[in-house]
Amino acid sequence: EVQLVQSGAEVKKPGESLKISCKGSGYSFTSYWIGWVRQMPGKGLEWMGIIYPGDSDTRYSPSFQGQVTISVDKSVSTAYLQWSSLKASDTAIYYCARPGGGGAQGLVDYWGQGTLVTVSS
Amino acid sequence: DIVMTQSPDSLAVSLGERATINCKSSQSVLHSSNIKNYLAWYQQKAGQPPKLLIYWASTRESGVPDRFSGSGSGTDFTLTISSLQAEDVAVYYCQQFFSTPFTFGPGTKVDIK
Repeated sequence: EVQLVQSGAEVKKPGESLKISCKGSGYSFTSYWIGWVRQMPGKGLEWMGIIYPGDSDTRYSPSFQGQVTISVDKSVSTAYLQWSSLKASDTAIYYCARPGGGGAQGLVDYWGQGTLVTVSS
Repeated sequence: DIVMTQSPDSLAVSLGERATINCKSSQSVLHSSNIKNYLAWYQQKAGQPPKLLIYWASTRESGVPDRFSGSGSGTDFTLTISSLQAEDVAVYYCQQFFSTPFTFGPGTKVDIK
């Protein structure tokens, strides 16, 4: 069974750094892209970027380029999303998302449970 | 970026009645090499991650009830719930997966009248 298990909720202060994780299991982790999607409180879904664990090829949405870093550690089948300096506007639920392959990088058939990040002074 | 728009923002439908949601993309998501529309529909219930309903504009994901159907091509698409059930209360998003960034529509909230 394919599973994406994300790290737990975080409460941080503005200016702090953060790295959240998404562990994949039940499939060949290095063979499928994995992406991140933001959902701000009461708002819609925003595609942030995607990474191919096989070679770490990473594609960022222009809106998020330079604001976050997406990475993977193949040895533990885990993808990461990190911030070097959080802002209050980063408060959101962050979902990891696994496309199904077959050339459709953005077609998500598996989602993590979401990680709530709260940034507040 | 391809911009996705949806209409209406919200709708309330009586149980057993039809619900129709429209989605428009700012440029065609029909791929000429395989004649497939790179358009998906997701359902998000309160407090849950999204769930894939429809892909290639009209192909139902395994396990999705057949009251859900998708249609359209190019830039204009529709999600239809033929007979609304109580468990269909959710926000529905269209998404293009034609080109990065794989943008979503703003969502349509479906409630029971």
